Amino acid sequence: AQKVTQAQTEISVVEKEDVTLDCVYETRDTTYYLFWYKQPPSGELVFLIRRNSFDEQNEISGRYSWNFQKSTSSFNFTITASQVVDSAVYFCALSDDGGATNKLIFGTGTLLAVQP
Amino acid sequence: DADVTQTPRNRITKTGKRIMLECSQTKGHDRMYWYRQDPGLGLRLIYYSFDVKDINKGEISDGYSVSRQAQAKFSLSLESAIPNQTALYFCATSDRGGPSTDTQYFGPGTRLTVL
Repeated sequence: AQKVTQAQTEISVVEKEDVTLDCVYETRDTTYYLFWYKQPPSGELVFLIRRNSFDEQNEISGRYSWNFQKSTSSFNFTITASQVVDSAVYFCALSDDGGATNKLIFGTGTLLAVQP
Repeated sequence: DADVTQTPRNRITKTGKRIMLECSQTKGHDRMYWYRQDPGLGLRLIYYSFDVKDINKGEISDGYSVSRQAQAKFSLSLESAIPNQTALYFCATSDRGGPSTDTQYFGPGTRLTVL
């Protein structure tokens, strides 16, 4: 069965701290996509990254980095030198049916609060 | 202008009323989706459509119906709203092919309250 687990319900950090958001997934398929989305207090869902299962290279985009490890079925997200504007709910999601439905299976989200 | 728009953004209605939520996109994507978000549950798929003639139920379609009026428009209806349909509703689009294949892009959401 497909499943995405974000065990951290809420994280609170002080500005400029580094923070890692955990994501563990379950799938029987060898071909799948993993995603991260950001939901700021205004409510919209903002796409951050897509990673396919054949690409295990880590990715860095500015202060954001993602660590994909198939051996532990994890796709963790690190924010370096966090800022107040990073405060949001972050969702990890999985798509594993090869495009048959392209259904996204979402984790329950991690609320990140960055204090000034 | 936003690529995916939803109307209305907020709606308060009463039990038993019929409600329609509308979604329009200018991304040129063939695939469109409706999700609902409830606190602590993440997002769950209600319906999805791969083109105007292809509409499919998601995991929580009971109590909802949809209409794909055109490639760019996908509407969600609640025929007789009930309080447990109070939620944040999102429309999303995606396409196949290219570097962003199967990536879903979301609209701003519609906050629906059923009293």
